[in-house]
Amino acid sequence: NAGVTQTPKFRVLKTGQSMTLLCAQDMNHEYMYWYRQDPGMGLRLIHYSVGEGTTAKGEVPDGYNVSRLKKQNFLLGLESAAPSQTSVYFCASRKQGVTTDTQYFGPGTRLTVL
Amino acid sequence: RKEVEQDPGPFNVPEGATVAFNCTYSNSASQSFFWYRQDCRKEPKLLMSVYSSGNEDGRFTAQLNRASQYISLLIRDSKLSDSATYLCVALPGGGYNKLIFGAGTRLAVHP
Repeated sequence: NAGVTQTPKFRVLKTGQSMTLLCAQDMNHEYMYWYRQDPGMGLRLIHYSVGEGTTAKGEVPDGYNVSRLKKQNFLLGLESAAPSQTSVYFCASRKQGVTTDTQYFGPGTRLTVL
Repeated sequence: RKEVEQDPGPFNVPEGATVAFNCTYSNSASQSFFWYRQDCRKEPKLLMSVYSSGNEDGRFTAQLNRASQYISLLIRDSKLSDSATYLCVALPGGGYNKLIFGAGTRLAVHP
């Protein structure tokens, strides 16, 4: 049982390049999330999904797209990377409908855009 | 106003000290509350859930005051290994699909 995994762990991009971050969970959770965390700042929600085939915007969605084609995977795409997207990206998942159940995070992807 | 607010710290305390973190939340319909711990350059991990009656886990005690919309975390007998950022988290009512994270309080325990 691996929990939540993220690939890649590190990446360096040039401005304008594109990439996809992959998040996978093996806990059969319905909800999945993408956050970014910048130095000295808290977690900011980018996009989230409440089930396979559904996505919704969080508080900082601009410049990102997501897809949830399979329940266990949640992809985050950067179509044209900008230096402002240099950050640590965390994926998380949570079970639906249980208010006392917590959220589990992946180990993060450290992205640098030059 | 942020939905969950915390004192950013840092709190610098000696080993063995007792330290308390406070957190306020703005949504009175919030259903559940948690404290997470985040080590430097690592992912947040659940430290403990917060129950209405208050709860304790070893050296850690969490309290909830719904009337004041206030959550606290008390750490007794601080260890060097307690140095981390502590995140206060609330689950708002009505949707149950998004946790709201505070920005975190940094704790540094020194010898």
